[in-house]
Amino acid sequence: NAGVTQTPKFRILKIGQSMTLQCTQDMNHNYMYWYRQDPGMGLKLIYYSVGAGITDKGEVPNGYNVSRSTTEDFPLRLELAAPSQTSVYFCASSTWNQPQHFGDGTRLSIL
Amino acid sequence: GDSVTQMEGPVTLSEEAFLTINCTYTATGYPSLFWYVQYPGEGLQLLLKATKADDKGSNKGFEATYRKETTSFHLEKGSVQVSDSAVYFCALNEWAGGYNKLIFGAGTRLAVHP
Repeated sequence: NAGVTQTPKFRILKIGQSMTLQCTQDMNHNYMYWYRQDPGMGLKLIYYSVGAGITDKGEVPNGYNVSRSTTEDFPLRLELAAPSQTSVYFCASSTWNQPQHFGDGTRLSIL
Repeated sequence: GDSVTQMEGPVTLSEEAFLTINCTYTATGYPSLFWYVQYPGEGLQLLLKATKADDKGSNKGFEATYRKETTSFHLEKGSVQVSDSAVYFCALNEWAGGYNKLIFGAGTRLAVHP
């Protein structure tokens, strides 16, 4: 019973590089979310999706893009990495009005 | 807008001590309330929840009561263990016109020593 799986767990990028953070869930949840967690702070929502083909911005979307071609997958794309994007990224999923299930996170450093 | 405020950490306790982590919220509606726990190197796990006023959520010896009159959802445990060392997040869930929006507090780090 995998739940929400994120890859990679750790990554170091140089400024200006791009990368995709992968997220997949096996619970057939319609809703999926991407958050970032900065030190000493709560989680901030980057993007969310209410189903395949439907995505929308959260609180802090600048510098990121997402897609949702299937129910299971919700990748997060950084096009031009900046030091301000150094953070821990969490993917989550849920059904309507139910608690969100989180992955173990991706720790990203941009130098 | 809606918000969640938690007591600042770190909270340091000896094993078997009583734990309280304060959480208050501001909301225009009647949100569901949650406590999530994050163990080192892991993602957030749902610890307990309450969906309406006076509900008590409980799990693994932890409990919290949804107090509408004081807009609070304090987390308590009667006897903590070293394995309870983690970061605890209070959160509220509201329907944001298209999705379930989770608003988190800043988190409270708990360290329990033998």
